Amino acid sequence: EAGVTQFPSHSVIEKGQTVTLRCDPISGHDNLYWYRRVMGKEIKFLLHFVKESKQDESGMPNNRFLAERTGGTYSTLKVQPAELEDSGVYFCASSQAGSLEKLFFGSGTQLSVL
Amino acid sequence: DQQVKQNSPSLSVQEGRISILNCDYTNSMFDYFLWYKKYPAEGPTFLISISSIKDKNEDGRFTVFLNKSAKHLSLHIVPSQPGDSAVYFCAASVGGSYIPTFGRGTSLIVHP
Repeated sequence: EAGVTQFPSHSVIEKGQTVTLRCDPISGHDNLYWYRRVMGKEIKFLLHFVKESKQDESGMPNNRFLAERTGGTYSTLKVQPAELEDSGVYFCASSQAGSLEKLFFGSGTQLSVL
Repeated sequence: DQQVKQNSPSLSVQEGRISILNCDYTNSMFDYFLWYKKYPAEGPTFLISISSIKDKNEDGRFTVFLNKSAKHLSLHIVPSQPGDSAVYFCAASVGGSYIPTFGRGTSLIVHP
């Protein structure tokens, strides 16, 4: 069974540019999460999808971040325009219904904004 | 305002000895606690969990202890192995929310 897949693994962009991160959850997992970790800091919650619906987006930093999950399968997280403080590792995770706390994480996307 | 605190950024242990990783939390509503393990260039993987109705949960070499009155939990690894070298994240959630809140992680190095 394939795990959670994230693309790209690394992205280096300049301030003001746009970047789109993609996450493919484990097949059949209704719950999809985005987290971010800035170096040395905690893994911070961004948002949670249940199927295609945003269940909780309280962790999204500001309106430069847009997450979508069309059709309830893969998800994208777009940052537009990117700022220096957006740098970090963006993790996607998924879980089955009824097993929400035990998350399966992808390897993350290392985003560097220069 | 960190609700889950891992105050030791790193820990070094000799192979075969016990590793003890600590975690404190501030939100008294947390009722489910998890430990995740992360290797470089990989995502965190679930290791062990404990519900607030218990004070201990054991899985092989890994044991998690929960002290609700002190709002403290710890992960014990006995005996420690070099393959246990990784970053360990403590996480907690509130029943009904189901969104884990993570700490900053503790980097464990087990020396052969």
